[in-house]
Amino acid sequence: SQQGEEDPQALSIQEGENATMNCSYKTSINNLQWYRQNSGRGLVHLILIRSNEREKHSGRLRVTLDTSKKSSSLLITASRAADTASYFCATEKMEYGNKLVFGAGTILRVKS
Amino acid sequence: DVKVTQSSRYLVKRTGEKVFLECVQDMDHENMFWYRQDPGLGLRLIYFSYDVKMKEKGDIPEGYSVSREKKERFSLILESASTNQTSMYLCASSSPGQQAGANVLTFGAGSRLTVL
Repeated sequence: SQQGEEDPQALSIQEGENATMNCSYKTSINNLQWYRQNSGRGLVHLILIRSNEREKHSGRLRVTLDTSKKSSSLLITASRAADTASYFCATEKMEYGNKLVFGAGTILRVKS
Repeated sequence: DVKVTQSSRYLVKRTGEKVFLECVQDMDHENMFWYRQDPGLGLRLIYFSYDVKMKEKGDIPEGYSVSREKKERFSLILESASTNQTSMYLCASSSPGQQAGANVLTFGAGSRLTVL
């Protein structure tokens, strides 16, 4: 069962521009995480935001969480060609026994 | 760095064959997971384990089984491979103590299985 849904499905931007990806989910959560996947590889954890937090930063990444709208956004500032990857949100809730449920992902292409 | 190693990057098997996918982690993580990834569907959880010799079904366990005889090793078994099991298989591990109880996953590089 998919909890998170990312939007857009695909995004193409020029190097130096900002990239924004959104994630919506259906039920209450303990935390929401974002992962990156380079083509044909495993996923890498980027950032975690807990349900009592509204915004977090890590380098060029900014994540927001709106629990009233059940949505999150990931902003990548000053994008680089190396940011080209798929980005997934994943939600965790205690009722799932600490399992993470992933969305289908957003494919980001940064053109140089 | 935490490392999760999947034994095979690419496998090609025939329908009906028994397939073993091996996963080993080297950071003493309690939790281990098997996901499959298909285009447009994201990652779907097949099985997971919170301790040696224990296993829990995920969202799509049919056609799969798992084994966890040692803490560091979690094996996914396809008893009789079928073409609809052609997919990318991702193993992951985590420890509850990593980030104040949050389940943050470290993934292996994936095993791409083709069943002919």
